Amino acid sequence: GNSVTQMEGPVTLSEEAFLTINCTYTATGYPSLFWYVQYPGEGLQLLLKATKADDKGSNKGFEATYRKETTSFHLEKGSVQVSDSAVYFCALTLANAGGTSYGKLTFGQGTILTVHP
Amino acid sequence: DAGVIQSPRHEVTEMGQEVTLRCKPISGHDYLFWYRQTMMRGLELLIYFNNNVPIDDSGMPEDRFSAKMPNASFSTLKIQPSEPRDSAVYFCASSKHRRNTEAFFGQGTRLTVV
Repeated sequence: GNSVTQMEGPVTLSEEAFLTINCTYTATGYPSLFWYVQYPGEGLQLLLKATKADDKGSNKGFEATYRKETTSFHLEKGSVQVSDSAVYFCALTLANAGGTSYGKLTFGQGTILTVHP
Repeated sequence: DAGVIQSPRHEVTEMGQEVTLRCKPISGHDYLFWYRQTMMRGLELLIYFNNNVPIDDSGMPEDRFSAKMPNASFSTLKIQPSEPRDSAVYFCASSKHRRNTEAFFGQGTRLTVV
């Protein structure tokens, strides 16, 4: 079946540190990959996505590259801020060869990020 | 668009009581999903609908859980009777079947069963 595995957390960093959160996946067909973020007390928001191999998703200084050869989609940010403290979820949805899907998501377990001043 | 709207945001109920969670998806979206979030199990898909028809309810934990979508703008998730282990955050999400689609989530309902 399809699955997503994220690095164990929680992750605690100082402001301006470099962030990497690892994500690997197992899927058949043509998965699209996502990072969702959940700020305290809120719902999930899409952070970035990539729909085919070698695509790079980016938003708010965060980046992730769809690596088919390593089945990975690691999240990175060069300099984190206190406001980035949240839970980050890696997820996938299956699409057809043309990239069409309906949005059913399989999630990783989530990684809690805490950034200290 | 106002996004996916869930109500209530918080619900505290006594064991054995019926609980109804509500969701209004984004207009024009043809898929609706109910997820449950707990510390132990993370985010689990409970059930999803396509054009108001339930497609897969294999994630519904027990017969105590039921979901309906009477029209394109409203869905409910009901738990009857509720139990303390049902305490969780329940999310509704909607999406549109198309290329490069994404799911949009509501703010969630935090349910506490005492």
